[in-house]
Amino acid sequence: KQEVTQIPAALSVPEGENLVLNCSFTDSAIYNLQWFRQDPGKGLTSLLLIQSSQREQTSGRLNASLDKSSGRSTLYIAASQPGDSATYLCAVSPYNNNDMRFGAGTRLTVKP
Amino acid sequence: DAGVTQSPTHLIKTRGQQVTLRCSPKSGHDTVSWYQQALGQGPQFIFQYYEEEERQRGNFPDRFSGHQFPNYSSELNVNALLLGDSALYLCASSLDSIYGYTFGSGTRLTVV
Repeated sequence: KQEVTQIPAALSVPEGENLVLNCSFTDSAIYNLQWFRQDPGKGLTSLLLIQSSQREQTSGRLNASLDKSSGRSTLYIAASQPGDSATYLCAVSPYNNNDMRFGAGTRLTVKP
Repeated sequence: DAGVTQSPTHLIKTRGQQVTLRCSPKSGHDTVSWYQQALGQGPQFIFQYYEEEERQRGNFPDRFSGHQFPNYSSELNVNALLLGDSALYLCASSLDSIYGYTFGSGTRLTVV
């Protein structure tokens, strides 16, 4: 059974810092991994989608990497801003299974 | 291009009642998945609909049922509501899981 873990559970940084969020998964048989952002009480906004054959994806100040063999992904946020404050969730789509599995998320606070 | 639309945004029901939540997928998407997100946790897969059939189901009781219409929109029905059913219910649509999922803003259900 696929298990997804995110570390740390919460992170508080001053504005301008570069930071890394971690995601690990137990089964490497995945189609892809997706990073989402969730503001309090809101839905999920897709940030980056990495296919299993890819090593990384970039969008603006965000860069996500995927090491399928070790079951790890990282989300790198450059030059953090207060508007980046939110919960970040990673999710994996397993092979031959439509049950996308989520981690519990990392709650990020960026202080002005 | 409209994204995933969910209604209503908030709902308060009494224990034992029944509720119906609605979802319109993103244009071009034919698959709808439903997730339950308890406070402080990642979303949990309820079920997925494709071609008007339930394609896969997560670990949820039969009180949770759904439907997909010919226009790909979907409903989630929950019978005999329990206090523990209070959560954010998220709808996600996709064309194929390999392309990732697009989520709606969710319906906040409170059972009192």
